[in-house]
Amino acid sequence: GAGVSQSPRYKVAKRGQDVALRCDPISGHVSLFWYQQALGQGPEFLTYFQNEAQLDKSGLPSDRFFAERPEGSVSTLKIQRTQQEDSAVYLCASSLGSLGSPLHFGNGTRLTVT
Amino acid sequence: AQSVTQLDSQVPVFEEAPVELRCNYSSSVSVYLFWYVQYPNQGLQLLLKYLSGSTLVESINGFEAEFNKSQTSFHLRKPSVHISDTAEYFCAVSDQVSSNTGKLIFGQGTTLQVKP
Repeated sequence: GAGVSQSPRYKVAKRGQDVALRCDPISGHVSLFWYQQALGQGPEFLTYFQNEAQLDKSGLPSDRFFAERPEGSVSTLKIQRTQQEDSAVYLCASSLGSLGSPLHFGNGTRLTVT
Repeated sequence: AQSVTQLDSQVPVFEEAPVELRCNYSSSVSVYLFWYVQYPNQGLQLLLKYLSGSTLVESINGFEAEFNKSQTSFHLRKPSVHISDTAEYFCAVSDQVSSNTGKLIFGQGTTLQVKP
């Protein structure tokens, strides 16, 4: 079947605008993760869902970042009042959720804040 | 807290030569270890993982990594590389204690450039 799908592929926002990034995980994957990858760096964990429950949001950098997964499938990462330091690639990953299950990553959304 | 250090940002190598990509980690608890690969214009893919058991793990395309607990290392090796191995390689750890074992700590990445 299809892999993890993220949209849009690219997003340019003016500073202060709100953005919404979408993730469509692999069907049947209960776990969903968001990561942020700055240029030249490895991905950094943002938040984790098990089904519709957000169990870990320790990586969200500020209260401008908000994620939801209301029906336990599609997830949206919202960034309010974007700042230039928010420019990065935002990666979504899903997994079956059992111990050792590999994360399946999407191709990411590249956000550029001007 | 955990941290991961990939000692080389870029590794140029000629085709059919051996290669080693180095990874060291720091953690106060036991960890699981992973290597992910990102080919140009593609998403991250799991290359191999160490959860328990044999400290030497292998991938289907000829890479291997060995968990060395005393040296806190998980170096990635391949005896003969191909042009198609050109990619960004990320080492990652997750702790065995947390209920969120998908919370990976990544290194900065190593770009493997295979030259003809």
